[in-house]
Amino acid sequence: GAVVSQHPSWVICKSGTSVKIECRSLDFQATTMFWYRQFPKQSLMLMATSNEGSKATYEQGVEKDKFLINHASLTLSTLTVTSAHPEDSSFYICSAVDRVRPDSPLHFGNGTRLTVT
Amino acid sequence: AQSVTQLGSHVSVSEGALVLLRCNYSSSVPPYLFWYVQYPNQGLQLLLKYTTGATLVKGINGFEAEFKKSETSFHLTKPSAHMSDAAEYFCAVSDPGNQFYFGTGTSLTVIP
Repeated sequence: GAVVSQHPSWVICKSGTSVKIECRSLDFQATTMFWYRQFPKQSLMLMATSNEGSKATYEQGVEKDKFLINHASLTLSTLTVTSAHPEDSSFYICSAVDRVRPDSPLHFGNGTRLTVT
Repeated sequence: AQSVTQLGSHVSVSEGALVLLRCNYSSSVPPYLFWYVQYPNQGLQLLLKYTTGATLVKGINGFEAEFKKSETSFHLTKPSAHMSDAAEYFCAVSDPGNQFYFGTGTSLTVIP
């Protein structure tokens, strides 16, 4: 089945540094990827929609300068948390749409646990 | 606009008992409906989905859900709970652009 790989699975960084999270579709091409944030015991909150070759579309309230998204190829999207602060600590999950089967359910990565100290 | 409501943030059942997780949705277009399961520190795994056709949908691990348009519901059931079913369950609705709207989740505890 379709696999989405997210890396790293967990990361600890110091306040003020930047962290890059990768989302790769391993056996399919994804023109669209979504980035979600999940707080403990809460649901997933859509942060942005990433489209290959174009700028990401951010949801209301999400700072685009803080959460930089790049979707440079059909199999890779990256989320960079810039100048991270403790309040950015969260679980980040990406998902991808199969370009060939856009009506099929989203494929999710296993998430990245970010802890900012 | 789409939205999803999951009634009951925590559900506890005894091993072997019926599992019922409730989900109601609102949608301005014919919905695609999904149930996902999430184990601790992991991503989401698709349990089942409804797009068109038969309203009773069977998924993995013995789960099934029934789409009831008149009730705008898509409740998840399993006849007999197993310890390995303990997890977080999310109901979701998607629009034609594949944007997903998730419910707030239901944490299922299975009591031995």
